[in-house]
Amino acid sequence: LAKTTQPISMDSYEGQEVNITCSHNNIATNDYITWYQQFPSQGPRFIIQGYKTKVTNEVASLFIPADRKSSTLSLPRVSLSDTAVYYCLVGEPTYNQGGKLIFGQGTELSVKP
Amino acid sequence: EAQVTQNPRYLITVTGKKLTVTCSQNMNHEYMSWYRQDPGLGLRQIYYSMNVEVTDKGDVPEGYKVSRKEKRNFPLILESPSPNQTSLYFCASSSPSGFSYTQYFGPGTRLTVL
Repeated sequence: LAKTTQPISMDSYEGQEVNITCSHNNIATNDYITWYQQFPSQGPRFIIQGYKTKVTNEVASLFIPADRKSSTLSLPRVSLSDTAVYYCLVGEPTYNQGGKLIFGQGTELSVKP
Repeated sequence: EAQVTQNPRYLITVTGKKLTVTCSQNMNHEYMSWYRQDPGLGLRQIYYSMNVEVTDKGDVPEGYKVSRKEKRNFPLILESPSPNQTSLYFCASSSPSGFSYTQYFGPGTRLTVL
């Protein structure tokens, strides 16, 4: 199982771009990388998922280098409502690899006015 | 609406009094999982189930039991709760039929054991 390492916390200001990097040195060949966002007193929710290179959706971009040992979540022009904890997860439940998953500690992002 | 529901949302109980937290999903997902979340420790997996009647331990299974008798439900049982099980609990589900399936999380159950 791939373990992940993220910064514990980050601060930013409204309108800035925020990049959160996650290290996952022992990622397996078939593992996808998924990022979740969690607001206080709510369950985590999916933001973005990727396997390699770059993925972009309406809320974020995910950059994954060729060696896949790290990934970077990029949030463009953050607002106060982006204040949350962001989790990087390597692997998802599959019949081939099983259902045991290890979340990291998450990165607490604080966006200030 | 596709969702994962948990009940109760809040529970205060006393040491040793058996309790069950229910989890139900309406997405016909095969996979379900329980997590606990504690300050500074992130999300830790308790148990998971790949399908009906198939369950396995996560990282922190001690003191918990689960069952998966039907696809939509995955209750978490604390037979003799202790104060160190005071935590925020989340249930999640997904469909592991391919390579890239994400999890849908419930709203959480805040448990306090006195």
